[in-house]
Amino acid sequence: GEQVEQLPSILRVQEGSSASINCSYEDSASNYFPWYKQEPGENPKLIIDIRSNMERKQIQELIVLLDKKAKRFSLHITDTQPGDSAMYFCAAEGGTGSKLSFGKGAKLTVSP
Amino acid sequence: GGIITQTPKFLIGQEGQKLTLKCQQNFNHDTMYWYRQDSGKGLRLIYYSITENDLQKGDLSEGYDASREKKSSFSLTVTSAQKNEMAVFLCASSIWGFYAEQFFGPGTRLTVL
Repeated sequence: GEQVEQLPSILRVQEGSSASINCSYEDSASNYFPWYKQEPGENPKLIIDIRSNMERKQIQELIVLLDKKAKRFSLHITDTQPGDSAMYFCAAEGGTGSKLSFGKGAKLTVSP
Repeated sequence: GGIITQTPKFLIGQEGQKLTLKCQQNFNHDTMYWYRQDSGKGLRLIYYSITENDLQKGDLSEGYDASREKKSSFSLTVTSAQKNEMAVFLCASSIWGFYAEQFFGPGTRLTVL
């Protein structure tokens, strides 16, 4: 199946700064790239996604970039807050739909 | 809106034991999934079911069986629990098709003594 690499696995930033998480995938047929946030003790929840017909998407402080040629996509959180501290998982959906392959996750800690 | 319920919340088993985890959703979603979450390894797909009576293997199906009894429920069986195994099993559901958001349950935490 699809393989998704995610880096870094741990990142620590100061409140107000930016945080970036990078992912890469192998299958050029992948066409949908969601990001899930999992807060401590909670289940993962979708926070933003991007389809293969887009290069950039922004929802408030979240920006997702997609480079289909390089098979890379990334999440950028601007003006981080302590409430952004969580695990973040990237994922890729293959060409047949519904089945996601997840990265190993990135633990973000935002210090006041 | 809807909710996904997983039972039990905590499961303690013995080595070699057969253990069953249950998941119920009231979203009326067609597709349901079972993932295993280990620290540092992300979410790995064990089984998924596109619709009632369908069963598809994920990347981690060895050592597991699954059953989609009806549209709203999906069970996972650990066929032979491994000693010192610890993991969280997450159930999820979505509509079938492209770009579908998956909704996750609260998880079952498994410990094998």
